[in-house]
Amino acid sequence: GQNIDQPTEMTATEGAIVQINCTYQTSGFNGLFWYQQHAGEAPTFLSYNVLDGLEEKGRFSSFLSRSKGYSYLLLKELQMKDSASYLCARLDSNYQLIWGAGTKLIIKP
Amino acid sequence: TAGITQAPTSQILAAGRSMTLRCTQDMRHNAMYWYRQDLGLGLRLIHYSNTAGTTGKGEVPDGYSVSRANTDDFPLTLASAVPSQTSVYFCASSDGEGNTDTQYFGPGTRLTVL
Repeated sequence: GQNIDQPTEMTATEGAIVQINCTYQTSGFNGLFWYQQHAGEAPTFLSYNVLDGLEEKGRFSSFLSRSKGYSYLLLKELQMKDSASYLCARLDSNYQLIWGAGTKLIIKP
Repeated sequence: TAGITQAPTSQILAAGRSMTLRCTQDMRHNAMYWYRQDLGLGLRLIHYSNTAGTTGKGEVPDGYSVSRANTDDFPLTLASAVPSQTSVYFCASSDGEGNTDTQYFGPGTRLTVL
């Protein structure tokens, strides 16, 4: 994706914690989205951050630092069903979403 | 609640043929979008519509056209398909009440152009 970087693939163990990082171009920034996409399915919304800090939603949390152009998605108490791709998307100055290529998360028992 | 539906689920199309991918939403959302998703790349916006009767070009509009005659439907047409248009196509919608509203996606159409 345009100016959005996230790791291609990560592996973690069931029950553990994993952090998926995303860096983005800071100019024309209007917010940062995280989506989950299971193989062969549509992306589904996880979180939206526009202010600095941590937003917590159950086992999932998302963090944003606007000055650093950095966000992460934190997944706790990993379950096998969390195996999916996680997409980071920046809302640009035209309020269009610019998407990263996604991070494929593999959960091992 | 159906949300967003797309048809067909998948299609194999000969190069040079035309095709229309259908997208319908029942959430009364104002804004609708068409994306393509290719391996190793992020979702790329093809066309969008902020409200019925208006459309706009996204990042990769060439070879595609759209119309928005009413709130619910947003068809995507390939006038003369080429192999590089082989992709998974997702339609999405958002309520458009604010610029930062969440987009909801349809199940996708897998298109192969030979």
